[in-house]
Parts: sequence; C-alpha cells; structure tokens
Amino acid sequence: NAGVTQTPKFQVLKTGQSMTLQCAQDMNHNSMYWYRQDPGMGLRLIYYSASEGTTDKGEVPNGYNVSRLNKREFSLRLESAAPSQTSVYFCASSEGRAGGNTIYFGEGSWLTVV
Amino acid sequence: DQQVKQNSPSLSVQEGRISILNCDYTNSMFDYFLWYKKYPAEGPTFLISISSIKDKNEDGRFTVFLNKSAKHLSLHIVPSQPGDSAVYFCAAILNSGGYQKVTFGTGTKLQVIP
Repeated sequence: NAGVTQTPKFQVLKTGQSMTLQCAQDMNHNSMYWYRQDPGMGLRLIYYSASEGTTDKGEVPNGYNVSRLNKREFSLRLESAAPSQTSVYFCASSEGRAGGNTIYFGEGSWLTVV
Repeated sequence: DQQVKQNSPSLSVQEGRISILNCDYTNSMFDYFLWYKKYPAEGPTFLISISSIKDKNEDGRFTVFLNKSAKHLSLHIVPSQPGDSAVYFCAAILNSGGYQKVTFGTGTKLQVIP
C-alpha cells in the first residue's frame, strides 16, 4: 500500500511565485490534513478537510489555499510564495470520527522560498 | 496557546537503558493521545496510542502512561536501541463536530548512545 503520497518532494520557489503541493491517499480515509514543520515549532496544522467537500482553516492558514478534489486527493496551494513559507510540509489522513484514532503521514515536501 | 507541550527538546540515553519521554497537555477533553517517531527526511510514523479512559498501553518495548489528574503522559522505551534515535512527537486528538482535531507537541530528539 502506498498510504499517503505527496509531491513534489523538493521545490525551490522565488518570492511571489505560485505552486501547488499534491497529496493523495489510498486508505479510503474521510479526513485529510496539511501540516508544516518548522524547527522548535512542532507540526502546525494549516488546513484540514473533515470529509469530501469540506475544508477548514487550521492554526496557520494565512498565505495558503486548499482543494479537496475528491475523497483521495487534497491539494495545498501557495498563491504568492514568501520566504516565511520555507518549511517542510506534510500531508496526512485519518479515518475521521467514525472510526480509528490514528493519523497517517506522507513523507514530506521540502519547500524553499528565496 | 500551546495545548500540548514537550518541555525537553532533547534526551540522551545509553543503549539498553530506559528512555522516558514526557508530554503535558492542558485540555482535559482530549479523547486520545498518540506518539509518533520521525527520522530525518521522512514523515512521522505512528508508534503507540492510548485512550483517555486508560492509564497504560504497552506494545513490545514501548509503553505509554497517562496521568489524567496531572494532564501528563509519558512514553517509556525499554531497552533503548540505537535505532530508536529519532524525534518523538506526542499528539492529542479531540473528536469534535465530526472532525478529529489533532494537536502536536514540539518534539523531543532522542539519541541512544551505543
């Protein structure tokens, strides 16, 4: 099983450029998440999607947009990248409230904004 | 407001000894607690969880203890092995409104010395 797959693995952007991080899960999970990890800050939630067709802001949503394209896919878009968005981004998924209490992560996307 | 705290950013332990990683939380409504392990350049991987109605859960070398009155949980690794060297995140799940809100601590870097 692939689990949670996210692309690209590495990306360098210039300030003001836009890009989309793609994420797909093959576990038929209801909920999907985007986190960023920064030194000393742990994992901070950017946006989440409790179920297909819904998205909500997390702890640090500014500068980002998301799309829950279908049950499998949840993308994160940076419309105008800023150096403060240099980070490691993790997509994750979970069954949701109906069952399970484990969240599964992708391998991460390293983004540098120069 | 950091609802989940890991106050020790790092820990060094001799191989074969016990590793104890600590986590404190402020929200008494959390339903589940989880521990994740993260190697460099990889996504976090699920290690062990505990329900808020339990006080102990054991899985091989890993045991998680929950003290609800103190709002404290700990992860014990016995015996510690060099392969356990990684960053460990504790996380807390709140089931609310059909969504699992997951809050992570800032992580503790464990080094197991051979």
